[in-house]
Amino acid sequence: GENVEQHPSTLSVQEGDSAVIKCTYSDSASNYFPWYKQELGKRPQLIIDIRSNVGEKKDQRIAVTLNKTAKHFSLHITETQPEDSAVYFCAASIAGGSYIPTFGRGTSLIVHP
Amino acid sequence: DAGVIQSPRHEVTEMGQEVTLRCKPISGHDYLFWYRQTMMRGLELLIYFNNNVPIDDSGMPEDRFSAKMPNASFSTLKIQPSEPRDSAVYFCASSLSPGGRFEQFFGPGTRLTVL
Repeated sequence: GENVEQHPSTLSVQEGDSAVIKCTYSDSASNYFPWYKQELGKRPQLIIDIRSNVGEKKDQRIAVTLNKTAKHFSLHITETQPEDSAVYFCAASIAGGSYIPTFGRGTSLIVHP
Repeated sequence: DAGVIQSPRHEVTEMGQEVTLRCKPISGHDYLFWYRQTMMRGLELLIYFNNNVPIDDSGMPEDRFSAKMPNASFSTLKIQPSEPRDSAVYFCASSLSPGGRFEQFFGPGTRLTVL
């Protein structure tokens, strides 16, 4: 089955800096990659996703990039703010197949004011 | 829609007791998932249902765990007997069939503490 590795497990940045979280996946058939954000004590919520026919997608201060050849994808957050502090999960799945996502272990992002 | 509803939000019980967690998915969603979250293991998929039918329960840790979905608007996750290592946050999530964004909508979670 699919295996998703996520790094780093913890990331600490200063407010205004950029943050990058990286994930690799093992199943070349995976073609849908969502990212979820979980604030402290809250539920995970989808913040952005990308399909394999797209190399990059942006939504305001967040962007995701995908390298299908290398089987890795990344979340980029620019101009970080304290409210970006959360645990971020990447996932991989096969759209049109079972599509059930396999999640990474999560990255705890801490943005210091 | 109120979103995915879970109850109870917090449960404290003693080892050996039976625990039942409840979930009401978003109306119209035909997939339902049960996850367990711990610091050590992250977010683990325990079981998921499609149209009330269990599809994959390979994530259920052992026979002490069982899940049911008697109808489209209700599911339970039962642990009997409970053990301290079962302490975790249990999330229920629901989604529509493949298509569109495949977004999973999570409930608020049940924080289980087994003493």
